[in-house]
Amino acid sequence: GAGVSQSPRYKVAKRGQDVALRCDPISGHVSLFWYQQALGQGPEFLTYFQNEAQLDKSGLPSDRFFAERPEGSVSTLKIQRTQQEDSAVYLCASSLARIRLPGGDTEAFFGQGTRLTVV
Amino acid sequence: ELKVEQNPLFLSMQEGKNYTIYCNYSTTSDRLYWYRQDPGKSLESLFVLLSNGAVKQEGRLMASLDTKARLSTLHITAAVHDLSATYFCAVGGYGGSQGNLIFGKGTKLSVKP
Repeated sequence: GAGVSQSPRYKVAKRGQDVALRCDPISGHVSLFWYQQALGQGPEFLTYFQNEAQLDKSGLPSDRFFAERPEGSVSTLKIQRTQQEDSAVYLCASSLARIRLPGGDTEAFFGQGTRLTVV
Repeated sequence: ELKVEQNPLFLSMQEGKNYTIYCNYSTTSDRLYWYRQDPGKSLESLFVLLSNGAVKQEGRLMASLDTKARLSTLHITAAVHDLSATYFCAVGGYGGSQGNLIFGKGTKLSVKP
């Protein structure tokens, strides 16, 4: 498809279980972002890739969260030893922009998200 | 630290009425986005505002940006039921990752007949 694709759409995990969330960005998009959206809240930044390089991981809440994009396209967000507070929708977005030029449009396109429920 | 505040957080309006949603942000930025989110759906991009005084319109929605006041507005004209959704503004992180968007908490809009 032409949009950002995420899988699975829904994931139920038992507390302590590891999970892996996948994001297929729009083909050719250089930048890829992960966000966490708790119920009734706005998305919160987790991490950002430019191609395969993880340029910003300041939003990852703990060392249980790990993201990779080894070939500069598909990305995986891994959460180890899940806890109930990890329950949220995890959104992936991609953007064509590599360098933000003055006045340049760096619009990010979001996927449908993965709803993670930790029980 | 960049903070983004939206108000109101909840808005119930009648069809045909006008209203404005406000988005204030705390530090310098040159990028502001408005997104729409329907329940259980992802974020749909509405507007990208890149310069002071920028104004964009699409149908019954009009967005503007005042970078000096660090304020953006989303104006709704003659609301219709189809506009019911949650609207987020997001501001580009400044001086750091060029990709980092900081979102407001969202404004949940309900348009009633």
